[in-house]
Amino acid sequence: GENVEQHPSTLSVQEGDSAVIKCTYSDSASNYFPWYKQELGKRPQLIIDIRSNVGEKKDQRIAVTLNKTAKHFSLHITETQPEDSAVYFCAAAQIGGYNKLIFGAGTRLAVHP
Amino acid sequence: EAGVAQSPRYKIIEKRQSVAFWCNPISGHATLYWYQQILGQGPKLLIQFQNNGVVDDSQLPKDRFSAERLKGVDSTLKIQPAKLEDSAVYLCASSLTGAANTEAFFGQGTRLTVV
Repeated sequence: GENVEQHPSTLSVQEGDSAVIKCTYSDSASNYFPWYKQELGKRPQLIIDIRSNVGEKKDQRIAVTLNKTAKHFSLHITETQPEDSAVYFCAAAQIGGYNKLIFGAGTRLAVHP
Repeated sequence: EAGVAQSPRYKIIEKRQSVAFWCNPISGHATLYWYQQILGQGPKLLIQFQNNGVVDDSQLPKDRFSAERLKGVDSTLKIQPAKLEDSAVYLCASSLTGAANTEAFFGQGTRLTVV
């Protein structure tokens, strides 16, 4: 089955800097890669996703890149703000099947003022 | 639209006791997931339903965990008997089926503490 690895487990940046979180997946059939943000004590919420037919997607300060050949994808946050502090999870799924969503272990991002 | 509802929010039980969690997905969502999230880890898929049928339960410890989704709507997850290592947040999520609607919406979760 699918296995998703995520790095780093913790990331500390200064406000205004960029943050990058990387994930690799094992199942070449996976074609949908969402990123979830989970604030302390709250539910995970989708922040951006990418499908395998594109290599990059951007939404304001957040972007995701996908390298299907290498089976890895990354989350890029620019101009970080303290409210970006949270745990970020990547995930992989296969659309068209039953969309089994497998998560990485998470990255705890701390943005310091 | 209303979100995924879960209850209870918190539960403390002694080991070897039984416990049940309830989930009401977003109306019209055919896919329902139960995840176990141990502190400091990512959500681990326990079971996935498509309507009232089980799609995947390969990670469900079937000797103690059971789940059902009668009538393809609400779902319950049961643990009997509970062990200390079952302490975690149990998250329910739901999604529409089909390539165009794949976002999984999560409930607030049930925090289980086994003592």
